[in-house]
Amino acid sequence: DVKVTQSSRYLVKRTGEKVFLECVQDMDHENMFWYRQDPGLGLRLIYFSYDVKMKEKGDIPEGYSVSREKKERFSLILESASTNQTSMYLCASSPESYEQYFGPGTRLTVT
Amino acid sequence: LAKTTQPISMDSYEGQEVNITCSHNNIATNDYITWYQQFPSQGPRFIIQGYKTKVTNEVASLFIPADRKSSTLSLPRVSLSDTAVYYCLVGDLDDYKLSFGAGTTVTVRA
Repeated sequence: DVKVTQSSRYLVKRTGEKVFLECVQDMDHENMFWYRQDPGLGLRLIYFSYDVKMKEKGDIPEGYSVSREKKERFSLILESASTNQTSMYLCASSPESYEQYFGPGTRLTVT
Repeated sequence: LAKTTQPISMDSYEGQEVNITCSHNNIATNDYITWYQQFPSQGPRFIIQGYKTKVTNEVASLFIPADRKSSTLSLPRVSLSDTAVYYCLVGDLDDYKLSFGAGTTVTVRA
């Protein structure tokens, strides 16, 4: 089975802090994705990566950056967390764009 | 990306068949139709994908009419554990920017 793990299930940070969300997949997938999920808005794509050191912006990249130094690991960075970034963050990986495998999610609260 | 429209919620009872219809009037020639399922506190899970006619797997069936402007996900004989949010996605297989939308919340009652 494909396994996608995320570093934390729950995280509480203060406004202005730098936040790192880590995602690791064990299936040698080329593609990795970061989404945020908010009630009534579904999942929105923040960034995706199709290869090591390669990244592309999704629909809502503002306030976020990403890093992919190794194939299995994709990090989401909030340079200066704000309260409107309180959300559920989901990481996914895929060999092809349409069959994505998701991690359990990180519920981030920024106070 | 083709825009999709699906009902916000549906209620059903155990043992019934649930059909969720997704509208995608501006679907393009190269677009595929994919459905995901999401349980509470979990990430979405791929259910089924199709291009035209009918596709069936161990979990669900996907019906796509000839004009491809809509599709219907059919869940046979649902159980309480099928209570989840179901997302319809439409797009080219080479398009990384998937649009999940708000999905359809299916509630199965005893």
